[in-house]
Amino acid sequence: ETGVTQTPRHLVMGMTNKKSLKCEQHLGHNAMYWYKQSAKKPLELMFVYSLEERVENNSVPSRFSPECPNSSHLFLHLHTLQPEDSALYLCASSQVGTLFGDGYTFGSGTRLTVV
Amino acid sequence: DAKTTQPTSMDCAEGRAANLPCNHSTISGNEYVYWYRQIHSQGPQYIIHGLKNNETNEMASLIITEDRKSSTLILPHATLRDTAVYYCIAPYNNNDMRFGAGTRLTVKP
Repeated sequence: ETGVTQTPRHLVMGMTNKKSLKCEQHLGHNAMYWYKQSAKKPLELMFVYSLEERVENNSVPSRFSPECPNSSHLFLHLHTLQPEDSALYLCASSQVGTLFGDGYTFGSGTRLTVV
Repeated sequence: DAKTTQPTSMDCAEGRAANLPCNHSTISGNEYVYWYRQIHSQGPQYIIHGLKNNETNEMASLIITEDRKSSTLILPHATLRDTAVYYCIAPYNNNDMRFGAGTRLTVKP
């Protein structure tokens, strides 16, 4: 496996379900990110983990709960979602420590539908 | 992040150069300019970044004006597969890459 891998690719869940999105990076990066992209809207930065510590939480509702157990894995735990949470959820990784690097590497995303 | 301004959409003929402009008049001295693109329903793809000097890689060239207030991404020979949304970003630091609406480039046969 190379790059950034997200699973599952597609997820349909009910509003009372609990599910998790998984992201794994094989690039040796030390920072990982969750983005949300709703239909016809720009990407929204949700969470930032740098060196396994959460450094940013952009006013994301508590029904979204991130977890970063190590520098290669990132999870987004979902519970009691609303239909408006239906979106493409994208994971990215990068190398931080130098001021700027080669940019982020994104996964292919999980297409989430809340019914 | 420095605010960036891009045209909403552009067309380009296949085989011709695509020149995508970006204004970033409030950019500070240590903020890089990054370009990404997003093909429909896929994750964004990093293209190129630069600080002051012009940069070139296998995908594109980046021309940054001397005053750093604007830049142009050049795809030298656009193909149909270059049809995508192109994002210009000037992050405050590389933990903070925030995407705007970008430019929708359509390459036409």
